[in-house]
Amino acid sequence: ILNVEQSPQSLHVQEGDSTNFTCSFPSSNFYALHWYRWETAKSPKALFVMTLNGDEKKKGRISATLNTKEGYSYLYIKGSQPEDSATYLCASPRAGGYNKLIFGAGTRLAVHP
Amino acid sequence: DAGVTQSPTHLIKTRGQQVTLRCSPISGHKSVSWYQQVLGQGPQFIFQYYEKEERGRGNFPDRFSARQFPNYSSELNVNALLLGDSALYLCASSLKGTAQETQYFGPGTRLLVL
Repeated sequence: ILNVEQSPQSLHVQEGDSTNFTCSFPSSNFYALHWYRWETAKSPKALFVMTLNGDEKKKGRISATLNTKEGYSYLYIKGSQPEDSATYLCASPRAGGYNKLIFGAGTRLAVHP
Repeated sequence: DAGVTQSPTHLIKTRGQQVTLRCSPISGHKSVSWYQQVLGQGPQFIFQYYEKEERGRGNFPDRFSARQFPNYSSELNVNALLLGDSALYLCASSLKGTAQETQYFGPGTRLLVL
């Protein structure tokens, strides 16, 4: 994998459903994997920065896992709420350890009441 | 503390004109990065500055330039605007600009080129 790729592109779920998305990134020269949440008309907000293989991070109902050997990360949302509706972006820094973030195209989540 | 601020919020220009976008980082942050986001895509890296030095440049033409001032604020300049430069321009700041730091994004400047 040469770029950062996310799937699915979009997702529609009902309130209370649990859901997950995938981020694939180049596994060579790995520095970190960033997850952002971007609500319409707002700034992207950082969810997690993950650095170690096997890392698991959790914030409320949102959690993420990291596999640096195979180059993927999963983001899970348990019991989705309408306020979880947003675009979820992942990004991998390149270029010598500085935070030149290479972003995926995002997963757009819509949670319906 | 105030977050990252950007000005202006919206801008309309015509082809061939020049534009300057401004960014003020979070107090204490010495690194500023610029990203361009077009509809349907993730933000694309343009520049990173740290302590007034350019640390990285993305795959953008020389019409794009930037600088960072002693107070760590930054400007992004785009010359000879093309229709394809229409996008949301995001600024992000962090303490030192390393790969494992969280970057904090501003609200963006939406540029429309007619």
